[in-house]
Amino acid sequence: EPEVTQTPSHQVTQMGQEVILRCVPISNHLYFYWYRQILGQKVEFLVSFYNNEISEKSEIFDDQFSVERPDGSNFTLKIRSTKLEDSAMYFCASRGPRTSLLDTQYFGPGTRLTVL
Amino acid sequence: DAKTTQPTSMDCAEGRAANLPCNHSTISGNEYVYWYRQIHSQGPQYIIHGLKNNETNEMASLIITEDRKSSTLILPHATLRDTAVYYCIVRSQGGSEKLVFGKGTKLTVNP
Repeated sequence: EPEVTQTPSHQVTQMGQEVILRCVPISNHLYFYWYRQILGQKVEFLVSFYNNEISEKSEIFDDQFSVERPDGSNFTLKIRSTKLEDSAMYFCASRGPRTSLLDTQYFGPGTRLTVL
Repeated sequence: DAKTTQPTSMDCAEGRAANLPCNHSTISGNEYVYWYRQIHSQGPQYIIHGLKNNETNEMASLIITEDRKSSTLILPHATLRDTAVYYCIVRSQGGSEKLVFGKGTKLTVNP
């Protein structure tokens, strides 16, 4: 069964450093998402991406964050200058080619980001 | 999207049915009920969704009351691997595509 994959599984970085989290969505999916979950808290939406553009973003997704689909298979989240409060699990999700907003989103296993 | 209310935690014996309730009393006619679960910090996993009819798949059954103000997710024969946080989410076709997760119900399946 096709699945969303994410690398690395755990990233440790120093405050102020740039990090790139990588995701490979399900191959025929066209809509991509990033969510995050701070330890012990709810899963929070960050951004949605379609046709090489951000279609929606949350207040969390400020200028320090960016997303990119550099090729036909990868989807990345970049944090330019990490802060301690960016420590969280980051989940990538994707959904299929149907245009319905209700189409099921499938999540990857997550990247645990630890900022020291 | 309508707000949902779920119990904080539930317990279930292995092999028994787990019935997880969700209240969505302000749901509107075009809003669907979705269920996801999260097993210990893994990515959320889609389970099932429905509009007004009861639904069943290989993972679970979803029972939606006739007035649609509440629903129940049923895991017919719970196993230890079903221990997870279960999220009930209401979504509409015309709303945002983001999933809004609440605190969910922590289901513990006991041997």
